Amino acid sequence: DADVTQTPRNRITKTGKRIMLECSQTKGHDRMYWYRQDPGLGLRLIYYSFDVKDINKGEISDGYSVSRQAQAKFSLSLESAIPNQTALYFCATQRAGTGAYEQFFGPGTRLTVL
Amino acid sequence: AQRVTQPEKLLSVFKGAPVELKCNYSYSGSPELFWYVQYSRQRLQLLLRHISRESIKGFTADLNKGETSFHLKKPFAQEEDSAMYYCALEGGSEKLVFGKGTKLTVNP
Repeated sequence: DADVTQTPRNRITKTGKRIMLECSQTKGHDRMYWYRQDPGLGLRLIYYSFDVKDINKGEISDGYSVSRQAQAKFSLSLESAIPNQTALYFCATQRAGTGAYEQFFGPGTRLTVL
Repeated sequence: AQRVTQPEKLLSVFKGAPVELKCNYSYSGSPELFWYVQYSRQRLQLLLRHISRESIKGFTADLNKGETSFHLKKPFAQEEDSAMYYCALEGGSEKLVFGKGTKLTVNP
């Protein structure tokens, strides 16, 4: 089955460390998204990409960067992690075009910054 | 600006009771609206979208443009409906704006 995968699934790191979260998909979708989920705040969009050469900031991009290495891969980096970046991070994909298209989510990466 | 409001953080009902999860939106155009669900220890998945006018797992949602609402309803809640529910809006930008979510607990 076509899928969206994320690595690592869990990560504990220290303040100031650089960390990369990876997302891969076999759905053949052009659109890819990174969200963070915090209790009581729902899902907030960090960055999104509509194709390999397209990168866009979302609602809360400060402190994060991304790389779209290929249609199937979209990585999220925290250049210098801080404790308030402790959250559950989700990658999602969607087929191109406006309309009521479903977003498909990965299993999430639980990040703890000490 | 696009905004989605889910006024209830927590909702608790008994098995067999009706349930309604509220969602209001702010958008000047014609939105695409969705309900996503996240069961315990599982990834987010689409429950239903307004354009399909479908019923999934007994849930329905009607878009009311006058009240800018898209409430999710089920006449008889089941224990397996316990989950986190998110209302989301897509306003022509191929991005979703999510509400803050409602945690539904169905008690036996």
